[in-house]
Amino acid sequence: EAQVTQNPRYLITVTGKKLTVTCSQNMNHEYMSWYRQDPGLGLRQIYYSMNVEVTDKGDVPEGYKVSRKEKRNFPLILESPSPNQTSLYFCASSSTTEQPTDTKYFGPGTRLTVL
Amino acid sequence: GQQVMQIPQYQHVQEGEDFTTYCNSSTTLSNIQWYKQRPGGHPVFLIQLVKSGEVKKQKRLTFQFGEAKKNSSLHITATQTTDVGTYFCAGITWGYGNKLVFGAGTILRVKS
Repeated sequence: EAQVTQNPRYLITVTGKKLTVTCSQNMNHEYMSWYRQDPGLGLRQIYYSMNVEVTDKGDVPEGYKVSRKEKRNFPLILESPSPNQTSLYFCASSSTTEQPTDTKYFGPGTRLTVL
Repeated sequence: GQQVMQIPQYQHVQEGEDFTTYCNSSTTLSNIQWYKQRPGGHPVFLIQLVKSGEVKKQKRLTFQFGEAKKNSSLHITATQTTDVGTYFCAGITWGYGNKLVFGAGTILRVKS
């Protein structure tokens, strides 16, 4: 089954404690991205990756890091989480490089709370 | 920066009534996508519009892309309880980092 998986689904942590949210897709997609969703703000892109070893900033990259060492995985790293990073996070992937923003598959989401 | 505004923020309709959500972009878009997110779920891709003036239909859903490629709409005819959720538009403008910019979404509630 074609899918995007994220782990963990829920996480409560404290300020400053480094964490990683994993994202994996089994569709051999080149394009992957991370979004955060906050009430009234829709989805805002954090980082995206056009292919292995190619990443770029989205609209709200501050406080986040990503890496793309393998095609299927695109982890999101919070080196020193702060309460304003409390949010619902979605990973997404798409199938083409001709239109890399054909974002069609979203993961189930990770609800992060930073105390 | 590039912005996509979506209205209304919230709509509560009686089952069987029609529903429309509108998106307006501050820049001319290359394409626009629509997503649906059920309560507690993740966004699910509905459709992509690319051409100026394009109209596409999916059963009771009609999607339009404006002639100037700066606005779009989603119309649902005769809503059903299964239509409940948040509808997002998302626009892309080549040259703006190829980023997909989402509207804030319209929350649809349907009374049966």
